[in-house]
Amino acid sequence: NAGVTQTPKFRVLKTGQSMTLLCAQDMNHEYMYWYRQDPGMGLRLIHYSVGEGTTAKGEVPDGYNVSRLKKQNFLLGLESAAPSQTSVYFCASSYGGSSQPQHFGDGTRLSIL
Amino acid sequence: EDQVTQSPEALRLQEGESSSLNCSYTVSGLRGLFWYRQDPGKGPEFLFTLYSAGEEKEKERLKATLTKKESFLHITAPKPEDSATYLCAVQAAQGAQKLVFGQGTRLTINP
Repeated sequence: NAGVTQTPKFRVLKTGQSMTLLCAQDMNHEYMYWYRQDPGMGLRLIHYSVGEGTTAKGEVPDGYNVSRLKKQNFLLGLESAAPSQTSVYFCASSYGGSSQPQHFGDGTRLSIL
Repeated sequence: EDQVTQSPEALRLQEGESSSLNCSYTVSGLRGLFWYRQDPGKGPEFLFTLYSAGEEKEKERLKATLTKKESFLHITAPKPEDSATYLCAVQAAQGAQKLVFGQGTRLTINP
């Protein structure tokens, strides 16, 4: 049982390049989330989805886009990467939204030069 | 605005030396308070959910408690494998999809 799988694990980009981070879950969860984790800042919600075909903005959505075309996948896109987007990105999923624990992947470490 | 503050930032203990980690929170209607463990290079691992003041949950050497303003994670007779960063997060009654995380407490248990 893989749980939440994130691809890639590491990536280095140049400013202005684009890329997509992939999150896949095999737990049949309805809700999926993207967070970023920065030193001294804690985990902050970027975007989330409450079901296939839906997306919503979180706390820090600027510069990111997301898509949830299939229930098991949640994609995070950076259209024009900036050094401020250097971070560790975590995907999570949960069975529901209210009071349900979120289960996390092991993260993607992204550096923007 | 919902906020979570964890203290201390870092804590070093000797094996077997019990202690507590603190999570203070302000939230407009608490739906749940969550504790996670995070090992270096890994994602957070779910430990407990607490829903109302007075509630307690236990797992091995860990016990989590909740009041109206804070939560404690008590660690009894810790072992080196308990070394990790412990994260606290709250979920408000409104906007229930969102977790607000604290910055974490980095716990080191020396053998």
